[in-house]
Amino acid sequence: GAVVSQHPSRVICKSGTSVKIECRSLDFQATTMFWYRQFPKQSLMLMATSNEGSKATYEQGVEKDKFLINHASLTLSTLTVTSAHPEDSSFYICSARDQWQGRGYTFGSGTRLTVV
Amino acid sequence: GESVGLHLPTLSVQEGDNSIINCAYSNSASDYFIWYKQESGKGPQFIIDIRSNMDKRQGQRVTVLLNKTVKHLSLQIAATQPGDSAVYFCAENISGGTSYGKLTFGQGTILTVHP
Repeated sequence: GAVVSQHPSRVICKSGTSVKIECRSLDFQATTMFWYRQFPKQSLMLMATSNEGSKATYEQGVEKDKFLINHASLTLSTLTVTSAHPEDSSFYICSARDQWQGRGYTFGSGTRLTVV
Repeated sequence: GESVGLHLPTLSVQEGDNSIINCAYSNSASDYFIWYKQESGKGPQFIIDIRSNMDKRQGQRVTVLLNKTVKHLSLQIAATQPGDSAVYFCAENISGGTSYGKLTFGQGTILTVHP
């Protein structure tokens, strides 16, 4: 079945630094990837939609200059949290759609970001 | 029974009982719905899906019911097992327009299965 690999699984960074999270579709091509953020005991909130070869579409209230998304190939999307602050600490999850499976969505295992 | 916790409602059941998890979705234009299971520290795992032209779909030990009139979705788990303990989310999708492909997640329910 479709597999999405997300790295790193955990990262601790100092306030003011940037962190990059990678999301790879291992056995299928993903024209579209989605990035979510999840705070403890809350639901997943969509941050942005990443389309291969074009600019990401951000949800209302999500700062595009803070959360940089790059989808340079059909198998890789990256989310960079720039100038991270403690309030950015969260669980970040990516999801990829298999272009040949219509609406099939596969999720990565998530990245726990802690900003100290 | 169900109760509303600090953020997510909870459901506690005994092993072997049937569980019913409910979800109210928001957009009447949504035409595809998915139930996910999320264990602590992991990403969501697909359980079952249903399209809006159906009102019931069954899988292995799970059944999803869709009531479009009241915008309600439910997940029934038969013979619930301790391994079913997790957070369960419903998600809705609209197949057209600017929202194409976007999944919107519901609040979620914490299911705890007691041996």
